[in-house]
Amino acid sequence: AQSVAQPEDQVNVAEGNPLTVKCTYSVSGNPYLFWYVQYPNRGLQFLLKYITGDNLVKGSYGFEAEFNKSQTSFHLKKPSALVSDSALYFCAVRDEDGQNFVFGPGTRLSVLP
Amino acid sequence: EPEVTQTPSHQVTQMGQEVILRCVPISNHLYFYWYRQILGQKVEFLVSFYNNEISEKSEIFDDQFSVERPDGSNFTLKIRSTKLEDSAMYFCASSIQGARSYEQYFGPGTRLTVT
Repeated sequence: AQSVAQPEDQVNVAEGNPLTVKCTYSVSGNPYLFWYVQYPNRGLQFLLKYITGDNLVKGSYGFEAEFNKSQTSFHLKKPSALVSDSALYFCAVRDEDGQNFVFGPGTRLSVLP
Repeated sequence: EPEVTQTPSHQVTQMGQEVILRCVPISNHLYFYWYRQILGQKVEFLVSFYNNEISEKSEIFDDQFSVERPDGSNFTLKIRSTKLEDSAMYFCASSIQGARSYEQYFGPGTRLTVT
């Protein structure tokens, strides 16, 4: 069965600094990997996905994520954090047998001015 | 930009009562989903629905739960006899395709509180 881990409950970063939100996964077969963001009182918003191809995936709001098959990781990154990036971030996976998402526990990102 | 909408935003009910949570998926989407998130825990898949049928459901989705698309726009989740442990945020989602490479679009959620 597939699973997702987000080893950090909370990430704090200063505005303007690069940010990384970590995600590791376990699936059978080829993984389909997604990042979602949740702002207060809002639904989960899609940021980006990795299906196949280039290991570096670019998404919304300047975010990108790097797929690393050997480390089974899919870390979310942004070169320069904004205060408005403060939110809850979820990594999710689907494997080749599963239609539906398995979400990680979420990481709360706080960008400090 | 089209959005998934959900009503109500917050529902309080007594244990044993029936509740219906409503969702309006994005209009050209064909696949519909319900997830829930118990406070402080992971988002968990409940059920997926396509062509007026349940296509997949989790262990959580027992006989107390049902889903329906009563008309061309709404998608509902019914809990027949609520329990305290049903208290959670319930998210509806939709996607244009059901293939695994397609992202799902989520609504803002309905917070269900069972007392």
